[in-house]
Amino acid sequence: DAMVIQNPRYQVTQFGKPVTLSCSQTLNHNVMYWYQQKSSQAPKLLFHYYDKDFNNEADTPDNFQSRRPNTSFCFLDIRSPGLGDAAMYLCATSVGGTGGYEQYFGPGTRLTVT
Amino acid sequence: SQQGEEDPQALSIQEGENATMNCSYKTSINNLQWYRQNSGRGLVHLILIRSNEREKHSGRLRVTLDTSKKSSSLLITASRAADTASYFCATESSNDYKLSFGAGTTVTVRA
Repeated sequence: DAMVIQNPRYQVTQFGKPVTLSCSQTLNHNVMYWYQQKSSQAPKLLFHYYDKDFNNEADTPDNFQSRRPNTSFCFLDIRSPGLGDAAMYLCATSVGGTGGYEQYFGPGTRLTVT
Repeated sequence: SQQGEEDPQALSIQEGENATMNCSYKTSINNLQWYRQNSGRGLVHLILIRSNEREKHSGRLRVTLDTSKKSSSLLITASRAADTASYFCATESSNDYKLSFGAGTTVTVRA
């Protein structure tokens, strides 16, 4: 089945130790998104790639970076995780454009910072 | 940025009852979407309603959209225990394809 896969599902990292979360998709979608979701809150868009074009949200800290080496894969790098970065990180994909396309989400990676 | 606001924040109902939740937003939109999130999981798309539509049905789901009031409602009929989840509205604004999510309504269906 076509899907969005996130690895790992659970990640524990130490304060200040770089961490990378990965996302892959078999949908061949143009757009890949990264969201941060804290408990009982709305998903907050960090950035997205439309094909190879990177689009950062204005309020995303510099501590968060992303890479998309090819259509299928996208990575979220947190250079120096702080305690406030503990959250669920959700990857999503969509066809793209303003035609009213739904987003397909992966199961998420729960990040714990100790 | 978060555009939608959802009401109520939480809802507890008996199995078989209907659940209604509302979403209000601020700017003009192309469409509004509803998603479900089971605890600790990703979001699943439920239904999309375009700005020129007023009502849409999908199985036990009924969505309405009132663009003059900038509001939408999601009705789940004949609820089941499996409907226990958080429900989020998300808007696609007129000049962007990104989605802006509301804070969600947590629905608990009691057996």
